[in-house]
Amino acid sequence: AQSVSQHNHHVILSEAASLELGCNYSYGGTVNLFWYVQYPGQHLQLLLKYFSGDPLVKGIKGFEAEFIKSKFSFNLRKPSVQWSDTAEYFCAVNPSRGGSTLGRLYFGRGTQLTVWP
Amino acid sequence: DTEVTQTPKHLVMGMTNKKSLKCEQHMGHRAMYWYKQKAKKPPELMFVYSYEKLSINESVPSRFSPECPNSSLLNLHLHALQPEDSALYLCASSQDLGTLSQETQYFGPGTRLLVL
Repeated sequence: AQSVSQHNHHVILSEAASLELGCNYSYGGTVNLFWYVQYPGQHLQLLLKYFSGDPLVKGIKGFEAEFIKSKFSFNLRKPSVQWSDTAEYFCAVNPSRGGSTLGRLYFGRGTQLTVWP
Repeated sequence: DTEVTQTPKHLVMGMTNKKSLKCEQHMGHRAMYWYKQKAKKPPELMFVYSYEKLSINESVPSRFSPECPNSSLLNLHLHALQPEDSALYLCASSQDLGTLSQETQYFGPGTRLLVL
């Protein structure tokens, strides 16, 4: 079955540590890729997105992600995390080939990031 | 402005009650979505509306009834729910459904529903 995989379920870091969260998907063809963040008690917010062009995309709050087509991956990175980055991070994929995938955003199971001050 | 608003923020209802969730956006988006999110799980798509017409129903039980009265509003009518329906209900919107184009879904804060 086609899916979105986030291998890290819970990541615990100290402030100033570097972060990389993995995301792999199994959809062929062209895809639109997203990372959303959900802070405790808050709604899903868009961190960044990739549609086409430069595979290294920069988002809000110092986050960036790299699309590697050959690896079907879209990993999220941040050079130095802060306590305020503690949240749940969701990778999401929209296979942009129309038909039955129209409007469908497939989410990974999420990664809980805990940053200790 | 990328704001999607949802009311109420919290809702407690009994299994025999009828209630409605409301979602509103004023971004001119023509696609609107309902998702259900259980604790520590990703959002699960329930319904999609495109140009005020139901486009996708992910085999959701009939005790959930969506309605799109106009392009800015999306309702979810609830009747005879079960305790397992307790969850965070998220609304989202996008410019369009993304017909081979690049669409971003913007989410509202959700309604936290508890069914007793």
